[in-house]
Amino acid sequence: EAGVTQSPTHLIKTRGQQATLRCSPISGHTSVYWYQQALGLGLQFLLWYDEGEERNRGNFPPRFSGRQFPNYSSELNVNALELEDSALYLCATHRDRWREAFFGQGTRLTVV
Amino acid sequence: GQQLNQSPQSMFIQEGEDVSMNCTSSSIFNTWLWYKQDPGEGPVLLIALYKAGELTSNGRLTAQFGITRKDSFLNISASIPSDVGIYFCAGNAGNMLTFGGGTRLMVKP
Repeated sequence: EAGVTQSPTHLIKTRGQQATLRCSPISGHTSVYWYQQALGLGLQFLLWYDEGEERNRGNFPPRFSGRQFPNYSSELNVNALELEDSALYLCATHRDRWREAFFGQGTRLTVV
Repeated sequence: GQQLNQSPQSMFIQEGEDVSMNCTSSSIFNTWLWYKQDPGEGPVLLIALYKAGELTSNGRLTAQFGITRKDSFLNISASIPSDVGIYFCAGNAGNMLTFGGGTRLMVKP
């Protein structure tokens, strides 16, 4: 069984551009969480999608947005990139809210 | 919203020592999860706990789901250099996952 996959693994963008990050969950997982992790720091919650709907949102500006598709994969969009958006972006998925969640390997976004 | 307080924030220990870290919350959780993250990688699930009082082992790792359902601890016995990383606890109260701030473990050979 394939694990959670994220693409791309690395992304370099210029300040002001837009970035799109993707997450494919484990088969049967319907819930997707997105986190931002600045270098060496904790996981900052960004967004939670469950059954195609946004269920919760962290304390991030509106230029961070996303969606979940009918096949439960998800996309995170970051508009008007700023230097401080440089971080490892992680997604985690689980089958239901009572069970364990699994992470992808992350997308390293660098804004120059 | 729910918050998890994870401690200690960092530990620097000698190889061979035992390690203990814990997470506490003011809210009740139904699931406790423990993860380890190596640099530049995604966190990997170590142990999942589903019942109050549950004690589960995975090799040199042991974790317990507190009886009050508001806390959990993780112990690592006889630490080795590859135990280095950030350890995260996570709890789920049935609505969404909440993560602790992480414990950075450093092991001196």
